[in-house]
Amino acid sequence: DAGVIQSPRHEVTEMGQEVTLRCKPISGHNSLFWYRQTMMRGLELLIYFNNNVPIDDSGMPEDRFSAKMPNASFSTLKIQPSEPRDSAVYFCASSFGSGSDEQYFGPGTRLTVT
Amino acid sequence: QQQVKQSPQSLIVQKGGISIINCAYENTAFDYFPWYQQFPGKGPALLIAIRPDVSEKKEGRFTISFNKSAKQFSLHIMDSQPGDSATYFCAASTYNFNKFYFGSGTKLNVKP
Repeated sequence: DAGVIQSPRHEVTEMGQEVTLRCKPISGHNSLFWYRQTMMRGLELLIYFNNNVPIDDSGMPEDRFSAKMPNASFSTLKIQPSEPRDSAVYFCASSFGSGSDEQYFGPGTRLTVT
Repeated sequence: QQQVKQSPQSLIVQKGGISIINCAYENTAFDYFPWYQQFPGKGPALLIAIRPDVSEKKEGRFTISFNKSAKQFSLHIMDSQPGDSATYFCAASTYNFNKFYFGSGTKLNVKP
């Protein structure tokens, strides 16, 4: 398996622009997670889906952030409008089943908002 | 409130030495404690994990020690190698709930 696929790997955008990050989980996995990593705040869970349904979005920082999972093989994280403080590495991870199963992380998207 | 507290923030160890990273938690419902390893430019990857029914788990040079009464667990890396230089995250979760609570991370540098 190719693992979790994320695109783009790097994104540079100007403040106020819309940013869309994409994720393809590992085939057969039914849980998907979006994380944000910064030096100051470490690794933060933004939202997670189980069977394409959002289960916990308490980590989404504000209404500018939204996430969707239209099917089992695709998810997006959108920031609109983007701000410089959104600059971070965004990871997508997936796992099989529920409970404490191993989460497989993608390579991440490094977002820079100028 | 941080659910899992990790220390130290950074660690420098000589090649062949023992690296020790500690984590503490408050929620007694946690019953799964993984450690993730992250190299620069990569996503975290599972290194080793433990459940509270055992006090220690060893995989090669990596050992998790678990103290349920103290609500603490630690990662020991024996015979540390320069290739072990990475950031290590502890985490905790409950079996019926997928959410992982990650520690703040420890950047390990193993000097040759």
